[in-house]
Amino acid sequence: DAGITQSPRHKVTETGTPVTLRCHQTENHRYMYWYRQDPGHGLRLIHYSYGVKDTDKGEVSDGYSVSRSKTEDFLLTLESATSSQTSVYFCAISVTDTQYFGPGTRLTVL
Amino acid sequence: EDQVTQSPEALRLQEGESSSLNCSYTVSGLRGLFWYRQDPGKGPEFLFTLYSAGEEKEKERLKATLTKKESFLHITAPKPEDSATYLCAVQASDYKLSFGAGTTVTVRA
Repeated sequence: DAGITQSPRHKVTETGTPVTLRCHQTENHRYMYWYRQDPGHGLRLIHYSYGVKDTDKGEVSDGYSVSRSKTEDFLLTLESATSSQTSVYFCAISVTDTQYFGPGTRLTVL
Repeated sequence: EDQVTQSPEALRLQEGESSSLNCSYTVSGLRGLFWYRQDPGKGPEFLFTLYSAGEEKEKERLKATLTKKESFLHITAPKPEDSATYLCAVQASDYKLSFGAGTTVTVRA
């Protein structure tokens, strides 16, 4: 257990609504990541953070934004959700070179 | 562009029937190759890191090996509790991970 929690664990929303997913860690790790996981694809990096207020884009960042105002929290926001953003979202933290993952949030956009 | 391909997509084994999973990769400046196990509805769980060709790591019935182009995850005498999806990922020189799509292993008693 890497001390990572994600909330909510499940969410159903409608197209066009804003959605925020939260990742919380208890061990003050510097690096945090957001991935999405879809059938037939590997985990794909959306955004990552290397410190408070320091973030950068991953390979599938379009339609997503992130914020990190405290070391322990990393927020992922879908400004206007689309059906293509239906997915399972995982947060991860990095300890030296190894990433450890949270339990995931299943998001359905109708 | 870094690429990771896992095969087969699915593997059905009888309890005790040993087998191997393959992860082939192309990456610029390999820093490490990672294996994870993922159970349904849960996040990936770290298993191994391999850093250089010829390296091997073992954990219970699992053994991971690495060459310059691929990695194998050997499952020896599997049990039903080894049923899971196994994910392979490579870390490039920019420290980012690229994941394969996974191999789903089902072990029947």
